Amino acid sequence: GAVVSQHPSRVICKSGTSVKIECRSLDFQATTMFWYRQFPKQSLMLMATSNEGSKATYEQGVEKDKFLINHASLTLSTLTVTSAHPEDSSFYICSARDWRGSQEQYFGPGTRLTVT
Amino acid sequence: GENVEQHPSTLSVQEGDSAVIKCTYSDSASNYFPWYKQELGKGPQLIIDIRSNVGEKKDQRIAVTLNKTAKHFSLHITETQPEDSAVYFCAAEPTNTGNQFYFGTGTSLTVIP
Repeated sequence: GAVVSQHPSRVICKSGTSVKIECRSLDFQATTMFWYRQFPKQSLMLMATSNEGSKATYEQGVEKDKFLINHASLTLSTLTVTSAHPEDSSFYICSARDWRGSQEQYFGPGTRLTVT
Repeated sequence: GENVEQHPSTLSVQEGDSAVIKCTYSDSASNYFPWYKQELGKGPQLIIDIRSNVGEKKDQRIAVTLNKTAKHFSLHITETQPEDSAVYFCAAEPTNTGNQFYFGTGTSLTVIP
């Protein structure tokens, strides 16, 4: 149980294009999903908290117009990196919290984004 | 806000020995402390967690201890195996921050066969 998937697992795109990453909770409903960014050999950096049916809450320094987050259902959240630049290249990971109120966060396998 | 420190940053142990990773936190409102294992190129996997009303929790070779007074918690892995090699992250969740986790900086554990 408590499986979170991400798609795609890796993506290469050209500068200036947009990329969408999907995060799905497969066997539970998630009222809250989180998006993280991780640089090599570093910890997880929270980008935003996404609550189903409402606007995402972005962390300080994260451009909400660049990193568009949509949480349209209890099992799906999407992160769209708009007008991607090479500095957006990173490992993006989502996590989901079960709607039943437990505190556990279950992480997806991550998406490796490379912008050329 | 909450600040979580984790030590050591790297740890090498011989197979069969024990490994201990320690974390401290600053916010007394934190009441949930999970530990995650992350293998290269993968997402973090929850391996054990503890809540503030418990002092110790064990799951086979893995245990976590919590000292609320001193604001520190530790991960103990006994009888280490090469497949335990990974990066381990601790985290703390204050009750008043809207479900946000604060992560430690990670410990790269290498188990030498």
